[in-house]
Amino acid sequence: DIQLTQSPSSLSASVGDRVTITCRASQSISTYLNWYQQKPGKAPKLLIYAASNLQSGVPSRFSGSGSGTDFTLTISSLQPEDFATYYCQQSYSTPPLTFGGGTKVEIK
Amino acid sequence: QVQLVESGGGVFQPGRSLRLSCAASGFTFSSYAMHWVRQAPGKGLEWVAVISYDGSNKYYTDSVKGRFTLSRDSSKSTLYLQMNSLRAEDTAVYYCAREEEWAQFDPWGQGTLVTVSS
Repeated sequence: DIQLTQSPSSLSASVGDRVTITCRASQSISTYLNWYQQKPGKAPKLLIYAASNLQSGVPSRFSGSGSGTDFTLTISSLQPEDFATYYCQQSYSTPPLTFGGGTKVEIK
Repeated sequence: QVQLVESGGGVFQPGRSLRLSCAASGFTFSSYAMHWVRQAPGKGLEWVAVISYDGSNKYYTDSVKGRFTLSRDSSKSTLYLQMNSLRAEDTAVYYCAREEEWAQFDPWGQGTLVTVSS
């Protein structure tokens, strides 16, 4: 099974900060990597698919990059509504699909 | 609009059974593979199972193989997860989700909480 390791597991940032979250796969997954945002008590929401494609309706301050084993999710200017937990998910080798452990973005 | 609504959760004793439902609307249900993903309290996301668009293929995570069974009824646009021999470690919010082109999940249902406790 392909393992996904996210870092950091949590971070504190201020409104307006640039935030970068990384996701490393245990083997090459091409660009079969998706990103989700989850707020407390809510279902996850798709942000980025196929490593760098912005899901319709998602603000352009979110961007994704990477291929192979190393991927990043970047929030260019953190907004109050962006405080949440972010998960990566691989869809290269399935089943099983796997998720990263999550990165909690908190207010500094 | 595209919507998924789960139901069937609650409190159940270990060893008992339950069936979760996921009602789909706003899209052609029979054209999409569907997944279940769960999240234990305070934990991350765990993929549980997938069923192909026509129900011909089903895959499960190892921890539920032989205990959980997926099915779908296209006439009702509904996905089901039969959960047998429940264990405490099955306690989680269960989400259904539609699979898109790159096997990304969109949308997700609101989730239904399953608590397994004596």
